[in-house]
Amino acid sequence: DTAVSQTPKYLVTQMGNDKSIKCEQNLGHDTMYWYKQDSKKFLKIMFSYNNKELIINETVPNRFSPKSPDKAHLNLHINSLELGDSAVYFCASSQDRPSGSPDTQYFGPGTRLTVL
Amino acid sequence: ILNVEQSPQSLHVQEGDSTNFTCSFPSSNFYALHWYRWETAKSPEALFVMTLNGDEKKKGRISATLNTKEGYSYLYIKGSQPEDSATYLCASGGFKTIFGAGTRLFVKA
Repeated sequence: DTAVSQTPKYLVTQMGNDKSIKCEQNLGHDTMYWYKQDSKKFLKIMFSYNNKELIINETVPNRFSPKSPDKAHLNLHINSLELGDSAVYFCASSQDRPSGSPDTQYFGPGTRLTVL
Repeated sequence: ILNVEQSPQSLHVQEGDSTNFTCSFPSSNFYALHWYRWETAKSPEALFVMTLNGDEKKKGRISATLNTKEGYSYLYIKGSQPEDSATYLCASGGFKTIFGAGTRLFVKA
């Protein structure tokens, strides 16, 4: 059984289009994340949602809008796609520790977005 | 803003060699330190999470230590095998997790 799944795995689209990437976790975790792997292979955090509430928004352009319909899902919608949005996007989830900070993150397989 | 630094950037070793990597992070407002293993064309997989100063974790031939006072963690691999070839990432933080750039390990048979 897949713990954290993302769809689609590959997405090729034209500049200016609007697209969505879906993420689902079946681990019962409280927190979900979106990361962007940049051209230098760095993983950079974009958003964190804890119990469906946005808690981290890392200076991402407002063309990127995350939506969490429930604790198991965190979707990423991107408006007016630009060439620079081409990257691999990873979703992840984690359980909260008793201290309130998140535990180990489990990553999805990634979505490779190519904007032409 | 947290800065997580890893060294070396890459490492080439022979099968059977033991090796270690370093992760440094700001020691203020520390929550947790994570190590992940990331193989090419896959997603990062968790190795360890450590929260207390002096923590030591071990999984098979891989172990890690944590010093939160001085802001560093070491990852050790004993008797490296070709299948250990991967990028090893460390990450620090809570809900805002900051990843280092990783250490790329190549193990030659």
